[in-house]
Amino acid sequence: DADVTQTPRNRITKTGKRIMLECSQTKGHDRMYWYRQDPGLGLRLIYYSFDVKDINKGEISDGYSVSRQAQAKFSLSLESAIPNQTALYFCATSGTDYEQYFGPGTRLTVT
Amino acid sequence: GQNIDQPTEMTATEGAIVQINCTYQTSGFNGLFWYQQHAGEAPTFLSYNVLDGLEEKGRFSSFLSRSKGYSYLLLKELQMKDSASYLCAVFLSYNTDKLIFGTGTRLQVFP
Repeated sequence: DADVTQTPRNRITKTGKRIMLECSQTKGHDRMYWYRQDPGLGLRLIYYSFDVKDINKGEISDGYSVSRQAQAKFSLSLESAIPNQTALYFCATSGTDYEQYFGPGTRLTVT
Repeated sequence: GQNIDQPTEMTATEGAIVQINCTYQTSGFNGLFWYQQHAGEAPTFLSYNVLDGLEEKGRFSSFLSRSKGYSYLLLKELQMKDSASYLCAVFLSYNTDKLIFGTGTRLQVFP
């Protein structure tokens, strides 16, 4: 079984809709991250969390919110989706070795 | 600001050697990661350099010069399966565990 899972894997939604992307991990890591990836722009950090009570904004947090429901679960929400949020979204975790382990990604299309 | 530069695309022949360069100017530095990412898939860890010098791991080696703000990934005995994007990422701080990614180098290996 995969250590970091994301649901859904693909999603098409309309402008203005609320959408939630979910991430779960079985690695026992405290630190979790949400990134988006766009062609030519690389991976950019949206939010990160060190534990359930500690959530921090990354470089591109506008238009997004997160919830850390438990050590193993970290959700990303788009309150009112817009077309330029169309991207590939990755969740990642890290432990004491600082290496980040990525989930399989969610491909989101906003029409 | 944070700036990480790597070439956008490279091509090479099966069996050859290729070197992918990465230069960085960042507000902090506690190491440099290289990740491999096949199209549409999650990034996977290749190497982590903290100290200056060359680290070898099978067909892949990674070099770091902290004073020059420079790293490279060396891939030997190229195989078709090495066709992927290679992401350079600076580890900013042990306190934040934040990675700043370059835009990636897309490597195409031809027969």
